[in-house]
Amino acid sequence: GENVEQHPSTLSVQEGDSAVIKCTYSDSASNYFPWYKQELGKRPQLIIDIRSNVGEKKDQRIAVTLNKTAKHFSLHITETQPEDSAVYFCAASDSGGYQKVTFGIGTKLQVIP
Amino acid sequence: GAGVSQSPSNKVTEKGKDVELRCDPISGHTALYWYRQSLGQGLEFLIYFQGNSAPDKSGLPSDRFSAERTGGSVSTLTIQRTQQEDSAVYLCASSFGTAGELFFGEGSRLTVL
Repeated sequence: GENVEQHPSTLSVQEGDSAVIKCTYSDSASNYFPWYKQELGKRPQLIIDIRSNVGEKKDQRIAVTLNKTAKHFSLHITETQPEDSAVYFCAASDSGGYQKVTFGIGTKLQVIP
Repeated sequence: GAGVSQSPSNKVTEKGKDVELRCDPISGHTALYWYRQSLGQGLEFLIYFQGNSAPDKSGLPSDRFSAERTGGSVSTLTIQRTQQEDSAVYLCASSFGTAGELFFGEGSRLTVL
């Protein structure tokens, strides 16, 4: 089955700096890579996703990159703000197949004002 | 309703009692997941239902845990003879297919005394 590794487990940055979270996956059949944000006491919510036919996707201050050859994908947050403080989860799945979504362990991001 | 609904939102029980947690997914969503999240921890996969296929039960921690999904809609997670280590938030999520956004419920917080 799929295995998703995520690092770092915790990350502290100064407000305004950038934050990068990295994930690797094991199953070459995976082709859908979402990222979820979970604020304290709340449910996880999708913030951005990328499919294997593109290498990069941006949405305002967040971007994801995907390297299918190396089986790496990353989340980049620029100009971080205190409200970006949360736990971020990467995930992988195989669209069109039966494979369930597999999550990484999560990264706790703290943005220091 | 428009979202994933879980009940009860909070459950306090005594060690050794059985509990049932309910999840009502978004109408038309074929995939349904149960996760367990202990305080400050990641998303521990429990079980996955996809359409009419046999469920993936590989994450259930012991035979005290079981789940069913009736008519491809509502799901019930049952924990028999609860133990203190079962205390956690149990999250349900649903999606349309295997590579769409996962929508999470608010969770059921279980406390075993």
